[in-house]
Amino acid sequence: DQQVKQNSPSLSVQEGRISILNCDYTNSMFDYFLWYKKYPAEGPTFLISISSIKDKNEDGRFTVFLNKSAKHLSLHIVPSQPGDSAVYFCAASGGNQGGKLIFGQGTELSVKP
Amino acid sequence: DGGITQSPKYLFRKEGQNVTLSCEQNLNHDAMYWYRQDPGQGLRLIYYSQIVNDFQKGDIAEGYSVSREKKESFPLTVTSAQKNPTAFYLCASSMPGYDYGYTFGSGTRLTVV
Repeated sequence: DQQVKQNSPSLSVQEGRISILNCDYTNSMFDYFLWYKKYPAEGPTFLISISSIKDKNEDGRFTVFLNKSAKHLSLHIVPSQPGDSAVYFCAASGGNQGGKLIFGQGTELSVKP
Repeated sequence: DGGITQSPKYLFRKEGQNVTLSCEQNLNHDAMYWYRQDPGQGLRLIYYSQIVNDFQKGDIAEGYSVSREKKESFPLTVTSAQKNPTAFYLCASSMPGYDYGYTFGSGTRLTVV
């Protein structure tokens, strides 16, 4: 059973526009959420996180929104740049996961010049 | 510089052979993890260890084995019992508590020939 889902395997956006990546989760015990960025043949790197006590966290061009009632979070990138082209993973932790992160399937973002 | 090192970056294995992937960290992290990445399936947890000399199975442990004799090291053996071992393997480490997230290594691409 997939507890964290990223339903869009890919997303293509024009440079300068907004990229919105979505993530849904099923476990209401999750209380911490993270986004990782991954380039091919490299390990993922931490991008931004949000605690369940917040509904928004912003870091430069990156903003994560959390809607607990809908069990949904999204990552907004504004403005998008070609260097943002990568696979983005959503991850969740909390409840009975013992500190483990549960990852979504990833969304491949392509930012066209 | 502190970090997590995986070696080798590329590994070729003949069918029926066991191979061991190395993971070393100098971040003084207590917990270490092994994930497998396949296209469209995100990151799936193979094994994790939260303390030396202790480890637990993840979601897809069959055909794999690990050891945690030292805090810094968490090698993964892919045995001949693993039916489909060709994949990208990622090692990660973390400190207890959600806020730290994971630090990932750069990965090992294993190909069965």
